Amino acid sequence: AQKITQTQPGMFVQEKEAVTLDCTYDTSDQSYGLFWYKQPSSGEMIFLIYQGSYDEQNATEGRYSLNFQKARKSANLVISASQLGDSAMYFCAMRQGAYNFNKFYFGSGTKLNVKP
Amino acid sequence: SQTIHQWPATLVQPVGSPLSLECTVEGTSNPNLYWYRQAAGRGLQLLFYSVGIGQISSEVPQNLSASRPQDRQFILSSKKLLLSDSGFYLCAWSVPDGPGLPLHFGNGTRLTVT
Repeated sequence: AQKITQTQPGMFVQEKEAVTLDCTYDTSDQSYGLFWYKQPSSGEMIFLIYQGSYDEQNATEGRYSLNFQKARKSANLVISASQLGDSAMYFCAMRQGAYNFNKFYFGSGTKLNVKP
Repeated sequence: SQTIHQWPATLVQPVGSPLSLECTVEGTSNPNLYWYRQAAGRGLQLLFYSVGIGQISSEVPQNLSASRPQDRQFILSSKKLLLSDSGFYLCAWSVPDGPGLPLHFGNGTRLTVT
C-alpha cells in the first residue's frame, strides 16, 4: 500500500504568489516524522522542512510552511511568495519504524513550475 | 560538519556488465545508510538500507546487491546489468533513532545501461 501519496504530478504558479503542494500519508504508528524535499533539475535532494507527529504547531522555515492535519493524515507544503528558483520537483517523505525509525518513504513527487 | 560523497556522477555501461557504485560519509559515526533509485521523472524507490557494518536490508528483490564493509562506506553492486537498471541512484545517510532526523543525500549517479 502507498505510504505517501502526492496527487499533483505538476503544478503551475505565478511568481510572487503562494502555492500549496498536497501530501497524504498512511501509517498506524503514533510516532513518525514528515519531511519535504526539493529536487532541482541538477538532481540533488534538498531538505526543506520537518513536522513531527506530536508537534502541535505547524512547522515553518522561511517561505516554507507545513500545513499538518493529523486527523486527515495530510502534510501539505505551502510556499509563499514563489520565486523562479522554486521551480523543481518536490517530494513528501515519512520516516517511521517500529523501533529505530529506519525507513523513509517518499511520494511520487510534484513538479512545480513558477511562471514569471 | 557531515558530508556524503558519491561517485561516479555519471556512468554508461553495457547490458551484462558489472556495476559498483560507492558512497562514503564523513563527520559522523554509525549512520544509517540508504540506496535509492529514481526512474526519470518519478519518485524515489528504496533499494537497500543498513543500520551497521554487514547489516543490509533489501526492500526490492532485483539483481542488485549492497554491502557495507566499513562503518561509513556503502556499496551498490550488480554482477550483470539489465536495461531496466538505468536510472538515477542516490545514496543517503541519517542519524539513527528518532523520527525527526532527516535523510541527507549525495549528489547521485546517473546510470545508463545500453
